[in-house]
This record gives sequence, structure tokens and C-alpha cells, in this order.
Amino acid sequence: AQTVTQSQPEMSVQEAETVTLSCTYDTSESDYYLFWYKQPPSRQMILVIRQEAYKQQNATENRFSVNFQKAAKSFSLKISDSQLGDAAMYFCAYTPGTASKLTFGTGTRLQVTL
Amino acid sequence: EPEVTQTPSHQVTQMGQEVILRCVPISNHLYFYWYRQILGQKVEFLVSFYNNEISEKSEIFDDQFSVERPDGSNFTLKIRSTKLEDSAMYFCASSYSGTSRHNEQFFGPGTRLTVL
Repeated sequence: AQTVTQSQPEMSVQEAETVTLSCTYDTSESDYYLFWYKQPPSRQMILVIRQEAYKQQNATENRFSVNFQKAAKSFSLKISDSQLGDAAMYFCAYTPGTASKLTFGTGTRLQVTL
Repeated sequence: EPEVTQTPSHQVTQMGQEVILRCVPISNHLYFYWYRQILGQKVEFLVSFYNNEISEKSEIFDDQFSVERPDGSNFTLKIRSTKLEDSAMYFCASSYSGTSRHNEQFFGPGTRLTVL
């Protein structure tokens, strides 16, 4: 069974600084997709970034980028120039290429301080 | 920008009552999902639905749960006899594809279900 682990329950970053959220996963599949979702206090789930396992290049979306290490089964999220609006729960999620359900990690609560 | 919508935003019910949670997926999406999140816990998969039938379900999705796409736009989750432990946020999601690069799942804002 696939599992997703987020070992940092809480993180804190100062505004304008950079923070990295960790995620590891376990799978026997060779083709799969990884995602980071943001959940603000409204509890809406917002897709932040995705990574296809067959791509060696790390995905980037504006201030958000990932460090995808396939051999190590690691998928960390880097947030640059942190803003107050980045404060939220961040969930790492996995889905195999041949199935559809998302398996989520337990989340990391990110605080952004002035 | 198209979005997934869910109604109601908050549902309060008595234990043993039936509830129906409603979702309108993005119009050209083909795959539909329900997830739940008990307060303070991670998001858990319940069921996926494609081509008018369940494609996958979790062990949580027992006989008390059912899903339906009664028309071309709505996607519903029914809980026949609610239990206290069904209290959670229920998220609907949809995706255009299940296996291609267009498999991002877009989530609705959720329905908070409170069982008393």
C-alpha cells in the first residue's frame, strides 16, 4: 500500500524568508504523480504544485518549487519570499499513474511571522 | 474560472438520520471523488466514480454510504444512517482524466457534517 509521510507537524517562517516542507512516500509503482495542496483556515483544498514521476525536472510555480528525489522517494516543497497569505496547512499527496485516488500525508501547519 | 461547488456548506443532523451531500463538479470533468477529513486529521479517500459507476472505494465506504450522479451535473453522497463518527468535513473533487497529465483533482469547498 502506498503511504505518504510528512514528518513536520508544524513549521514557522518569517515573512520574505524561504521555508522547505518535507514529504516522503512509499510506492512500488514506477509511474505516479505527486502534489502539494494548501488548506487555509477556510478548509478549502487548493492545488499548489504537481510533479510527474517520469519528469526529472523539478516543478516550479512562481514562488513554489519542489525538490523531487525519485530514488529517495522524497518530494519537498520550497516556498520562497514567504507571505502572510501562505499560512495554512500543507498536504503532500500521491496518486499512481494507473489509479485515481489521492493518498494524503498528515499535513504540515505553516505559520508565517512578521 | 470553473470550480467545484458543494451544498450545503454545513449540515447538522441527528444520529440515525439520512443525509445527502451534493456536489457540482467542473462541467467537462469525467472523474469524481469524495473524501472526508475528521477535524485535525488528514484527508481520507472515500470513493471514486467514473462512467456512472464506482471505480474504487475505501474500507470506510461501507454499506451506509452510496453515491449517485442523478443527472448530468450533480454528484451526490448519501449516508443512510448517520453515526457520531461520521462528523467530518466532506470534500468533493473532480478531474478531467484519471491517468494522463490532466489528472489534477480540483476540490470543492467542503460540507461540514455534524452528527448530534
